Amino acid sequence: EADIYQTPRYLVIGTGKKITLECSQTMGHDKMYWYQQDPGMELHLIHYSYGVNSTEKGDLSSESTVSRIRTEHFPLTLESARPSHTSQYLCASSTWEGEAEAFFGQGTRLTVV
Amino acid sequence: AQSVTQPDIHITVSEGASLELRCNYSYGATPYLFWYVQSPGQGLQLLLKYFSGDTLVQGIKGFEAEFKRSQSSFNLRKPSVHWSDAAEYFCAVNTGFQKLVFGTGTRLLVSP
Repeated sequence: EADIYQTPRYLVIGTGKKITLECSQTMGHDKMYWYQQDPGMELHLIHYSYGVNSTEKGDLSSESTVSRIRTEHFPLTLESARPSHTSQYLCASSTWEGEAEAFFGQGTRLTVV
Repeated sequence: AQSVTQPDIHITVSEGASLELRCNYSYGATPYLFWYVQSPGQGLQLLLKYFSGDTLVQGIKGFEAEFKRSQSSFNLRKPSVHWSDAAEYFCAVNTGFQKLVFGTGTRLLVSP
């Protein structure tokens, strides 16, 4: 079944640790995105990719980095987690058409203590 | 710059009553418009979308939305709300660069 997966769903980690949030999709979509969402707040685009070896910064500045080595995989990395990184991170993918909707994963809720 | 405004942060509706969630966008040309729903702790699910043609679009779960160019609006409606509709609703616009811009969301509460 075509889908988009995020792991882990929940992560509690200490300050200074390096973390990687995983995102994989089986729909063959070229475009992938990372959004950051604080509780009860809007979604902010932090990274996006148009395809393999393509990564761009989004509208909200983020200390995280991303890579796109394979079409289906778009991991997000924080080299040194801080409490200010506590948030929900949502991954999404879409085709190229302008009217195409984005498909979202279930999100990773990150808490940095 | 393009933007989306959802003026209602919270809305409470009685079960069985009708619902309308407001969305206004700012963009020069005709945008691609979307409504998503998010249940607690979950990702976003597409309810419906508009990109051309008939200005009244039907979506899943009995939802519909009407695009009004003169008002720059894309309001979401449902004739009879069910308790399971309680969730956060997001309006979004894609201006053609494939970057969705979201509104701040409207939290729907359904009372018995």
